[in-house]
Order: sequence, then structure tokens, then C-alpha cells
Amino acid sequence: DAKTTQPPSMDCAEGRAANLPCNHSTISGNEYVYWYRQIHSQGPQYIIHGLKNNETNEMASLIITEDRKSSTLILPHATLRDTAVYYCIVRVGGGGADGLTFGKGTHLIIQP
Amino acid sequence: DAGITQSPRHKVTETGTPVTLRCHQTENHRYMYWYRQDPGHGLRLIHYSYGVKDTDKGEVSDGYSVSRSKTEDFLLTLESATSSQTSVYFCAIRETGGTNYGYTFGSGTRLTVV
Repeated sequence: DAKTTQPPSMDCAEGRAANLPCNHSTISGNEYVYWYRQIHSQGPQYIIHGLKNNETNEMASLIITEDRKSSTLILPHATLRDTAVYYCIVRVGGGGADGLTFGKGTHLIIQP
Repeated sequence: DAGITQSPRHKVTETGTPVTLRCHQTENHRYMYWYRQDPGHGLRLIHYSYGVKDTDKGEVSDGYSVSRSKTEDFLLTLESATSSQTSVYFCAIRETGGTNYGYTFGSGTRLTVV
């Protein structure tokens, strides 16, 4: 799986959009970008994933650059409950039995 | 919700004793995983299973064994617990079919070895 680079921490004001960047310059053509988050003491939670097109669901939007070397997770109206560690993970979609490889992620702190 | 239940939620045990953690799922998923999470290391894969009686090692499998005798249960055993195995343990399943292939995690088991 390709390696990802994320800032260790970010702050965002409540009600504003939180934009979390991720670099994955060695991504392969068949690798997807997945985002998970982990709220304190809970198990990681799936947010969104994409291959090359931008994606949106009820939780967030995922913007992937045209060259696929970086992406941005957008939480459109951040709330205090969005304070968590966010993980950007690159892996082959649907492939293999092996699990996800987690890096250190970005600790997003939503300020009131 | 994939219906994952981990038990126990908390356990304190003594060094050298055997410990078994249970992960139970209700939706017949083929793939199941055990992770541990420690400060400074993040989540690391211990073992995983791709079917009944089919298991394989992850990144940090030393000191752990697993068993999966039926689809719904994936057991993690510490044969002789050590203080270095004090951690939070998460079970996960992988959704298959469709285009998601997402992973769903349980609520975790906090294990303390004294």
C-alpha cells in the first residue's frame, strides 16, 4: 500500500469547514483513498473513500487531485463532536484479506 | 452497523495468565481482524481471518494466537500475558460486495496486565 503523509494536528472553528489534507504521491492506479476517524476511546469509523472522482456522502466530501497524488477531506460544518484523529489510508480497493495499515493521522480539534 | 461485539470490555489480569478476548459478529462477514492500539504506535494489526479456520499473522503477532471455529466468532488468546500486552484491542470486520469494502470496528477491549 502506498504511504500517506498528514499534518499531525489541525484546529478549526466550530461551524466552519474543516479541510484535512493528505499526500500520497506514490499511489498506484488501482489504489483507493480511504478516510477513517477515531473519536477518543472509540474504534475507528469509516468516513468516505474514492478512486479518482470527487465523492460526497452525509458525513464529508473527498476531493482528489487530478494526478491523484493528494486529497482533501472536507467536513462542511464542523461541530465539537468532529474532534478526532483522522486517518488517510491508501490501499487496493476490495483487494486481499489483509487489514488496513494506519499511520499517525491528523488530530483535528474543533474549537468552540 | 455490522453488529460487532467485543467481550470483555475491560479486563485486568496478572502476568503469566492466559487471556482470551472474543469478537462476535452477527452479519456473516468473511474477514475479521484483531488490532492493538498503544500510545505512540497507533493501530497495529495482530492477526486476521479470511474464513472459518483460515487465519494469518499481522504486523505484531508474537505472543498472540487466534481461532475461528465458526463464522461469527474470532478469538484472540494471549497464552501467557505480559505487561507489554497491556493495550486497547479492537476487532474489525471488512464489508464485501458493492464498492465499499469498508472496515467496521468494535468498541474495543481495554486489557491491563499487572
